[in-house]
Amino acid sequence: DAGVIQSPRHEVTEMGQEVTLRCKPISGHDYLFWYRQTMMRGLELLIYFNNNVPIDDSGMPEDRFSAKMPNASFSTLKIQPSEPRDSAVYFCASSLGGGYTFGSGTRLTVV
Amino acid sequence: GENVEQHPSTLSVQEGDSAVIKCTYSDSASNYFPWYKQELGKGPQLIIDIRSNVGEKKDQRIAVTLNKTAKHFSLHITETQPEDSAVYFCAASIRSGYALNFGKGTSLLVTP
Repeated sequence: DAGVIQSPRHEVTEMGQEVTLRCKPISGHDYLFWYRQTMMRGLELLIYFNNNVPIDDSGMPEDRFSAKMPNASFSTLKIQPSEPRDSAVYFCASSLGGGYTFGSGTRLTVV
Repeated sequence: GENVEQHPSTLSVQEGDSAVIKCTYSDSASNYFPWYKQELGKGPQLIIDIRSNVGEKKDQRIAVTLNKTAKHFSLHITETQPEDSAVYFCAASIRSGYALNFGKGTSLLVTP
């Protein structure tokens, strides 16, 4: 298995632009999580899905953030419009009732 | 919600020594406690986990202990090696596979 696949690995964008981060979970995993990592706040849970249904999005910081999971093999996290304070590493992780498997992350820089 | 505190934030040991990282949690309903290792430029990787019906678990040089009464759990690494250098995160959840709350991480440096 290729593990959890995230794209792009790095994204640099200008303030105000729309950013879309992508995630392909491990086949058969029924939970998918989006986390954001910063030095100041550590790993923060943004949203998670179970069987493609959003279960808890209370960690999504603002309405500028949205996430979808149209099918079991794909999820997106969108930021529109982006701001410099959104700069962070965004991780996707999937699980099948046990520990998470994380992707390699997307490093987002908003200038 | 669950609050996980992790100490120390940085830890430096000599190769061959032991390293101990401690975490406390606030939600008494938590019963799943994994530990993750994150190397530079990579995502966190699960190294060991423990459930509340177990007090201790070992896997080669790594062990985790859990005290549910005191609501704290610890990671022990024995005979440390330079490749153990990384950031370690503890986490807690009400069950495995469910949403995890992470500690702030411990940066471990093992010097030869």
